[in-house]
Amino acid sequence: DIQMTQSPSTLSASVGGRVTITCRASQYIIKWLAWYQQKPGKAPKLLIYETSTLENGVPSRFSGNGSGTEFTLTITSLQPDDFATYYCQQYAYLYTFGQGTKLEIK
Amino acid sequence: EVQLVESGGGLVQPGGSLRLSCAASGFTFSSYEMYWVRQAPGKGLEWISYISSVGSPIYYADSVRGRFTISRDNVKNSLFLHMNSLRAEDTAVYFCARAKLDCSGGPCYSLVVFDSWGQGTLVTVSS
Repeated sequence: DIQMTQSPSTLSASVGGRVTITCRASQYIIKWLAWYQQKPGKAPKLLIYETSTLENGVPSRFSGNGSGTEFTLTITSLQPDDFATYYCQQYAYLYTFGQGTKLEIK
Repeated sequence: EVQLVESGGGLVQPGGSLRLSCAASGFTFSSYEMYWVRQAPGKGLEWISYISSVGSPIYYADSVRGRFTISRDNVKNSLFLHMNSLRAEDTAVYFCARAKLDCSGGPCYSLVVFDSWGQGTLVTVSS
């Protein structure tokens, strides 16, 4: 099975700031990596797929990068609505999620 | 508007059974691969089952294989998850999710990421 490890587990940042979340795969997954945002009590929302392709309607302050086994999600100009938990997901072989990164307001 | 609405969750004793349903609307259900994903209280997301648009192939995570059965009814636009031999560790919110379809470059193909989700239904396994 492919394991996905996100870091950090928790992140504090200010409105207007910039953050980067890292996701590492235990095996080579080429570019088959997606990112989701989840707010408490809600379903996850797809943000990015194929490492860097923004889902329709997702603001351009979200961006994804990486290849192989190391990937990043960067959010610039943080808005109050961005404070949530973020999950990466590989889909190179079946489907595995990272453990999540909680983004908190500083 | 795309809608996925789960139902059927509740409290069940260990060893018991439950059947979850997911009613789909606002899109051509029969064209989409579908998934079940669960989330234990305070924990992360876990994919548990996949079904193709036509009902086969089907895949399961190791944690549920042999106990859970996924199915769909493309006439009634519904997805199902039959859960048997339930354990305490199956306690979670169960989401149905739709695979994203890319039709931009010609024939449509599934991107195997989840672009629409239901609100979830809570399954609690406890005596």
